[in-house]
Amino acid sequence: GQNIDQPTEMTATEGAIVQINCTYQTSGFNGLFWYQQHAGEAPTFLSYNVLDGLEEKGRFSSFLSRSKGYSYLLLKELQMKDSASYLCAGLDSNYQLIWGAGTKLIIKP
Amino acid sequence: IAGITQAPTSQILAAGRRMTLRCTQDMRHNAMYWYRQDLGLGLRLIHYSNTAGTTGKGEVPDGYSVSRANTDDFPLTLASAVPSQTSVYFCASSGSGGHNSPLHFGNGTRLTVT
Repeated sequence: GQNIDQPTEMTATEGAIVQINCTYQTSGFNGLFWYQQHAGEAPTFLSYNVLDGLEEKGRFSSFLSRSKGYSYLLLKELQMKDSASYLCAGLDSNYQLIWGAGTKLIIKP
Repeated sequence: IAGITQAPTSQILAAGRRMTLRCTQDMRHNAMYWYRQDLGLGLRLIHYSNTAGTTGKGEVPDGYSVSRANTDDFPLTLASAVPSQTSVYFCASSGSGGHNSPLHFGNGTRLTVT
């Protein structure tokens, strides 16, 4: 079966760095997405990786290892507004998105 | 409008009643989707439409129907609501950049079926 695993909840301190991991098992693979979702709001796109390596976008970076079926989202210089859920989603061979349940990130001052 | 608009924002519905959730986008995106989001679960695809005039079934289509008469509108209908359809429903669209185009989501409809 197809599956996306990510931690349910993480806590970090304002100003610090946090890494949110995601492992995936999909039928084929056409890339991996990360979305941010604030409580009560819609998910918004953060990143897309299809090749191995690190993609950096300001304070946020996303990493992919296709051989390990593994990705992570790295958030630097954490701000209180980064408190949100982070959703990992893999694109399978049929270009269907398989979604993880999301990681709720709590930022403490 | 800018982006995707969903209506209503929230609704309490008696079991057995019919309900249509509305979704309109102004980005001229070809592909549109309906997802439901339940606590502890990932987003689950209900129905999708790759272009106006075509629709397809997602992971959890039972009890739901959709239509795509034009590019902008993609309504979701619950013919006879049941309590298990209590959820937050998100409409989304994606542009012409291919299957790896990011999704743009509406603000969701919180539906409670009693």
